[in-house]
Amino acid sequence: AQKVTQAQTEISVVEKEDVTLDCVYETRDTTYYLFWYKQPPSGELVFLIRRNSFDEQNEISGRYSWNFQKSTSSFNFTITASQVVDSAVYFCALKKGNNNDMRFGAGTRLTVKP
Amino acid sequence: GAGVSQSPSNKVTEKGKDVELRCDPISGHTALYWYRQSLGQGLEFLIYFQGNSAPDKSGLPSDRFSAERTGGSVSTLTIQRTQQEDSAVYLCASRMGGSNTGELFFGEGSRLTVL
Repeated sequence: AQKVTQAQTEISVVEKEDVTLDCVYETRDTTYYLFWYKQPPSGELVFLIRRNSFDEQNEISGRYSWNFQKSTSSFNFTITASQVVDSAVYFCALKKGNNNDMRFGAGTRLTVKP
Repeated sequence: GAGVSQSPSNKVTEKGKDVELRCDPISGHTALYWYRQSLGQGLEFLIYFQGNSAPDKSGLPSDRFSAERTGGSVSTLTIQRTQQEDSAVYLCASRMGGSNTGELFFGEGSRLTVL
């Protein structure tokens, strides 16, 4: 069985603070893919990043960075110098390597206050 | 089409009525997914299609829920004898077939309210 846990239901920060969103996953597969999606207030989910299980290199994209650690089955997402526009619900997701089964975590609602 | 299209965007119905929600995926995408998002909740997996077949129906909450996909394109999610707990946003997503690493593209969702 595969499962994604986002223990933080809601996070509130003040603009310019750094914030890390946690994601812990469970899978028996050796090949799998991890994703982060953003759901802004408008509602439509937007893809942010994909990582495969064989690539543990951390990634940085502007103010966003991702820390993938297989040893702890975690794929955490950090926003540096947060902005009000970062306010959204963020979802972590896990996909099996050999089929299209894709499961999402419960999401973390991030509120960035001015 | 340019994106995943869902209709209706909003549906208000009375308890006990049947509803149909439609998803038109991105042209050429062979994998199609349905998720449910209740107020303040995460994404609950319902079902996915690879072409016209659904390998995994385990996410459907009850036998009142069914889904089909025809022609490898449009999918319909049907809820019979709706209950108030069915109220949620139903999200459809699609992915290019043969690309196991491809991202999902989501529609804007169909918001269902059962009175």
